[in-house]
Amino acid sequence: EAQVTQNPRYLITVTGKKLTVTCSQNMNHEYMSWYRQDPGLGLRQIYYSMNVEVTDKGDVPEGYKVSRKEKRNFPLILESPSPNQTSLYFCASSLSPTPPGNTEAFFGQGTRLTVV
Amino acid sequence: AQSVSQHNHHVILSEAASLELGCNYSYGGTVNLFWYVQYPGQHLQLLLKYFSGDPLVKGIKGFEAEFIKSKFSFNLRKPSVQWSDTAEYFCAVTLNTGGFKTIFGAGTRLFVKA
Repeated sequence: EAQVTQNPRYLITVTGKKLTVTCSQNMNHEYMSWYRQDPGLGLRQIYYSMNVEVTDKGDVPEGYKVSRKEKRNFPLILESPSPNQTSLYFCASSLSPTPPGNTEAFFGQGTRLTVV
Repeated sequence: AQSVSQHNHHVILSEAASLELGCNYSYGGTVNLFWYVQYPGQHLQLLLKYFSGDPLVKGIKGFEAEFIKSKFSFNLRKPSVQWSDTAEYFCAVTLNTGGFKTIFGAGTRLFVKA
């Protein structure tokens, strides 16, 4: 079954304690993204990756890191989480970001992060 | 700065009413346009997309959207909504800026009364 898997689904952590949210897709997609969803703000792109070892900043990259060492995995790293990073996070992947490739994005189930 | 605006944050309709959700973007270059739906407690799913060609695109579940380039708009429509359309709807734009950044609107919460 084609899917994007995020872990964990829920996480409560303390300020400053490094954490990683994993994202894995089994569709051989090239384009992967991380978003955070906050009430009234919609989804805001944190980082995206065009392919292995190719990453770029989205609209809200501050406080986050990503890596793309393998095509299927795109972890999101918070080196020193702060309360303003409390949010719902989604990972997404698509075969291509633009035509003629298939651009439909598949989303993971989300990770609800609380930083206290 | 590039942005996507959705005009209505909350919409309440009765079943069988017609729906139109507005979406405008600010970017002068090439764009790919999308509408996604998020049902309560679920992740986003693609409703429809536009890249080129016929500006009227049809998606799943009876939804359609019209791209009007001169107005930088991509409004979503459905002639007759159902209770099961209750969800949050997001307009999104992928920009070709050298990379491919994607910008989402703030979303529109639709509640359909049975």
